Amino acid sequence: EIVLTQSPGTLSLSPGESATLSCRASQSVSSAYLAWYRQIPGQAPRLLIYGASSRAADIPDRFSGSGSGTDFTLTISRLEPEDFAVYYCQQYGTSPYNFGQGTKLEIK
Amino acid sequence: QVQLVESGGGVVQPGRSLRLSCTAYGFTFSNYGMHWVRQAPGKGLEWVALIWYDGSRKYYGDSVKGRFTISRDDSKNTLYLQMNTLRAEDTAIYYCAGSYYDYYEYWGQGTLVTVSS
Repeated sequence: EIVLTQSPGTLSLSPGESATLSCRASQSVSSAYLAWYRQIPGQAPRLLIYGASSRAADIPDRFSGSGSGTDFTLTISRLEPEDFAVYYCQQYGTSPYNFGQGTKLEIK
Repeated sequence: QVQLVESGGGVVQPGRSLRLSCTAYGFTFSNYGMHWVRQAPGKGLEWVALIWYDGSRKYYGDSVKGRFTISRDDSKNTLYLQMNTLRAEDTAIYYCAGSYYDYYEYWGQGTLVTVSS
């Protein structure tokens, strides 16, 4: 079973700044099978990044994903109000298709 | 317009059963693997179950294995989750999600299941 650990737990930033979120896996994840989701309170999650670095449809280029093996990063530039939410990474290559515990991005 | 609409949630006593449904609109349901994901109040996302696009394979998380059953009816564009022997820790919002290339492109808005006496 692949366990995903996200850091930090909470990140406090101001609109216009950049955010760097980390996702570390307990064993190697094929980069083809690492995704990032954003969940705004009261809403369902939304796909941002798949295959570690490919943006989903209609996701602006302020969002970028990188990494391989066991270390992955989501970078969000020029933070906008709707970006303050909870972010989850997920590996979808091997059952169980675990999620990380989430990083909460809050307004400073 | 793509939509996944869950239904069937509610309040149920411990040890009882409940069946959730998820109906798909706006995409070719039979081409998609379908998942259930749940979220306990104030907690993170937990993957629950997967059924392949053709129904040939099913996978379950350890916490629900042997109690929950995922199924699909492509003639009705509907996904199901039969939940038996429910426990308090099964209390959560249950989301269905659709995947063509394994990542979750489409999500429903969720249905709340509360297990309480």
